[in-house]
Amino acid sequence: GQNIDQPTEMTATEGAIVQINCTYQTSGFNGLFWYQQHAGEAPTFLSYNVLDGLEEKGRFSSFLSRSKGYSYLLLKELQMKDSASYLCAVVDSNYQLIWGAGTKLIIKP
Amino acid sequence: GAVVSQHPSRVICKSGTSVKIECRSLDFQATTMFWYRQFPKKSLMLMATSNEGSKATYEQGVEKDKFLINHASLTLSTLTVTSAHPEDSSFYICSVPTGSYNEQFFGPGTRLTVL
Repeated sequence: GQNIDQPTEMTATEGAIVQINCTYQTSGFNGLFWYQQHAGEAPTFLSYNVLDGLEEKGRFSSFLSRSKGYSYLLLKELQMKDSASYLCAVVDSNYQLIWGAGTKLIIKP
Repeated sequence: GAVVSQHPSRVICKSGTSVKIECRSLDFQATTMFWYRQFPKKSLMLMATSNEGSKATYEQGVEKDKFLINHASLTLSTLTVTSAHPEDSSFYICSVPTGSYNEQFFGPGTRLTVL
C-alpha cells in the first residue's frame, strides 16, 4: 500500500528552527509537495521537490532524498503565525496525490 | 496560480436535506477540479475529480449518487450532498491544479454541519 508518515505534533519556540520530517512509501514518485494549513482554513502551497537536494525559499526550506524516501521541511526564525499544520503530499506513478495526515506545529513564545 | 472561491463558507442543515456547494476558479479556466473532505484532525481525503464537460471520477468508497458533481463550465464545479446525514458533517474543500508544478490552489472550504 501507499503510506506517508509525519509526526502528529511538534512544539517549538518563537525565533528557533524546526524540522518536520516526512517519509513515504508509494508506487512510484513524481514529486513531493509541502502545504501549510492554518486551523479552519484550506491548505496553501509551500514547496515542491522532485530532485534530490535542498530548495530554499525565504525562511522555509525543503529537502528531498528519493533513495531514502524522505523529505523534511525546515522552518527558520519561527514566528507565532507559523503555528499551523504542515502537510506532506507525494505524487505517485499515476500522478495521483497521496496526502500525509499532517504535522501540527505549535509555536510557544 | 489560481484564485478559487467556494460558497457557502458554512452551512447547517437538517438531516435528509440536500446541500449544494459551489467552487469557482476566478482567474483560471479549469478543466479539472478536485473535491476533498477533511474530518477534524485528519488528513485531506480526495472524494472525486471533477472534469469539465464529462462525468466526475470518484474515489473508491465515495458514493456517486450521494455526492453529485457537476462541472458545467471551465470556472464552476458544484458538489451536492444529497440526503445529508450527521456523518456527512465535515470540511469540504475544492482545488484547482495549476502553476509551475501543477500544485493545487484550494478554495477556502465549506464547513457542513448536519443536525
